[in-house]
Amino acid sequence: RKEVEQDPGPFNVPEGATVAFNCTYSNSASQSFFWYRQDCRKEPKLLMSVYSSGNEDGRFTAQLNRASQYISLLIRDSKLSDSATYLCVVNRVDSNYQLIWGAGTKLIIKP
Amino acid sequence: GAVVSQHPSWVICKSGTSVKIECRSLDFQATTMFWYRQFPKQSLMLMATSNEGSKATYEQGVEKDKFLINHASLTLSTLTVTSAHPEDSSFYICSATPVGAQETQYFGPGTRLLVL
Repeated sequence: RKEVEQDPGPFNVPEGATVAFNCTYSNSASQSFFWYRQDCRKEPKLLMSVYSSGNEDGRFTAQLNRASQYISLLIRDSKLSDSATYLCVVNRVDSNYQLIWGAGTKLIIKP
Repeated sequence: GAVVSQHPSWVICKSGTSVKIECRSLDFQATTMFWYRQFPKQSLMLMATSNEGSKATYEQGVEKDKFLINHASLTLSTLTVTSAHPEDSSFYICSATPVGAQETQYFGPGTRLLVL
C-alpha cells in the first residue's frame, strides 16, 4: 500500500463546477498535511496546510479526518487557471521535516 | 521573500558526463535542503536530505556515489550526477527550509536533465 494515495484522475470539469479531491495516508502517526499545486513542468507550490479543524481560503477548503486517515480538498466555482495537478503531502513520522508525496491528481477545467 | 533558485534550469548532456546542479536560497538561510527527483506522471521522490556542514542522508535506493551532494553554506547546496546515463533523465527539484521554520519547504524551479 502506498503511503499516500490519491484519486488517479484526470478530472475533466466545466468552469464554475465544484471539484473534490480525496487523499488517504497509511501512517496514523503522521502530523502535518498539505495540499500542493503543480503546473506542468514547474515546481510544486504550497496551496494550503490542512488542520484538524478544517480550513478555508477563498474558494478552497481543506479537511482532515484523522480517524479515517483521510484528507480532502474542495474547489468551488472552479476557474480555468485552476487547471493543474494537485498533490497531497504528508510529513514523514520519523522526521518532521521530510515530506511524503502522493502521485497527484490532474485537474482540467474546460470553458 | 523565501526564494529558492536552481541552476541550470535545463541541461542536455552526453551519456557518461557529470552534471552539477546548484540550489540557492536567495533571501534566507537554510538549515536543510532537500533534493527530489520526479519522473513523468509520477510523484516527487525524495533523494536525499542535506544539512549544512554535514554529510547528506540518502534515501534507500539512491546511490550516494552517483549523486554527490555538497552543502557548503547555509545558502547553497549542489547535486552532481556523476557519469549520467539516459535513465537519469528526470526533473530534479530542490527545496530549502529556513532556520527556525523547519516545517516549511520552499521549492526551487527545478532542473530538467536529459541524458542522450
